[in-house]
Amino acid sequence: QKEVEQDPGPLSVPEGAIVSLNCTYSNSAFQYFMWYRQYSRKGPELLMYTYSSGNKEDGRFTAQVDKSSKYISLFIRDSQPSDSATYLCAMLAKAAGNKLTFGGGTRVLVKP
Amino acid sequence: ETGVTQTPRHLVMGMTNKKSLKCEQHLGHNAMYWYKQSAKKPLELMFVYNFKEQTENNSVPSRFSPECPNSSHLFLHLHTLQPEDSALYLCASSPGGKDTGELFFGEGSRLTVL
Repeated sequence: QKEVEQDPGPLSVPEGAIVSLNCTYSNSAFQYFMWYRQYSRKGPELLMYTYSSGNKEDGRFTAQVDKSSKYISLFIRDSQPSDSATYLCAMLAKAAGNKLTFGGGTRVLVKP
Repeated sequence: ETGVTQTPRHLVMGMTNKKSLKCEQHLGHNAMYWYKQSAKKPLELMFVYNFKEQTENNSVPSRFSPECPNSSHLFLHLHTLQPEDSALYLCASSPGGKDTGELFFGEGSRLTVL
């Protein structure tokens, strides 16, 4: 079993729809949860960052962490074609230095 | 220049060649990383340098040799690679010390081994 599971997609949605992405994980020591966005032929960039359980909102983006279920989510409201990218979840255990564990990424396509 | 810059962006090499990838960060960070990104696989951490000292070698074959002459520069020296080493190689940096997972990535060097 992989430490972090993420559906590779592709996930295709019409413009304006809500995009829902998620990851499951097995390591209960993870405390920091991140979502990175990677455009084609670019490096990943940090999109959302959450410590422990709870919700975090930033504009059209909402990140949720449910540690009891070992499940994290990212929601994109009012999706735009410019949101088309691969979204990578990443997690970090406090004692792991800065060794992130990444999911494989979900490719999202927002159609005009 | 700002951010993390990687050169070359594309590299094609034969299995007997020797080449190097270069990474430079202009963020004043003290930690630098090499990651490998292959199709349909999660990002794989290869090496970590904190304050110029290597703190992580994630069981990487010796045909990959990192070098960190200072906190702003990171190299990955390549020799006698295999076709399965073809991938996107990403450099990243972070402030160092008590990091919490925020990495700043370069755009990557796309390597093809023939």
